[in-house]
Amino acid sequence: DIQLTQSPSFLSASVGDRVTITCRASQGIGTYLAWYQQRPGRAPKPLIYAASTLQSGVPSRFSGSGSGTQFTLTITNLQPEDFATYYCQELTYTFGQGTKLEMK
Amino acid sequence: EVQLVESGGGLVQPGGSLSLSCVASGFPFSSLSMSWVRQAPGKGLEWVANIMQGRTEKYYADSVKGRFTISRDNAKNSVFLQMNRLRAEDTAVYFCVTDGVVRGVDYHYFDHWGQGVPVTVSP
Repeated sequence: DIQLTQSPSFLSASVGDRVTITCRASQGIGTYLAWYQQRPGRAPKPLIYAASTLQSGVPSRFSGSGSGTQFTLTITNLQPEDFATYYCQELTYTFGQGTKLEMK
Repeated sequence: EVQLVESGGGLVQPGGSLSLSCVASGFPFSSLSMSWVRQAPGKGLEWVANIMQGRTEKYYADSVKGRFTISRDNAKNSVFLQMNRLRAEDTAVYFCVTDGVVRGVDYHYFDHWGQGVPVTVSP
C-alpha cells in the first residue's frame, strides 16, 4: 500500500505570507496527486489534480508541483479564507494525514 | 450544477447495520466512477469504497472489506453503501464523491463532494 506523509502537520502564518506544504509518497506515483482544502464543518474542496493542474475556479495563488515521490502545494499572498486544513491524495485514494494552516 | 445529496445516516449500535444513499444530479451519472470517503470526528479523510461505471468493478478499503458493500443504480442516478457489523471506529461523516475525469482522462481524484452524512456507532 502507498503511504503519504505530509509536512508540516501544523503551520502558522500571517495574511500575505507565502507557505509551502510537502507531501511525500512511499513509492512513485507519477503525477497522480491531488490537493484538497477543508474548512471546519465543510466538505473538502479540490484545489489541484495531476500534481500541478489547478481545479476550475481555484485562485491562481494556489500552485502545485512535483512528480514521483515528492510533491508540494504552495500558497502565495495568503488570504483570510485560506486558513484551513489541507490534504494530499494519490491515485489509489490514500490521503495524507493533513496540514492545519493557522493564523499567527 | 453538480449535486450529491446523501441520506440514511444516524445512530446505530455496535454490530448493527445501516444503509447510506446518495442521489446525484447535474452530470452524466452512468459515465463516472463513484466513491464514499469518511472522516472520523477530529480526524483526517479515509477513502472507503469505489464502484466503477459498469457496476461490476468494486474496491474497498481493508478496514471495511467484508462488512461494507457499495452498489449503484444508474437509472436512478444513485449510489449506495450498505454497512454491516458496524464498529465504534466506523463512526464518521460519510461523503459521496465523484471521480475526477477531465476530457476523458480519469485523474483518480475526487472533484465533487456531497455535504456528508453522520454515522454514529454507539451502545
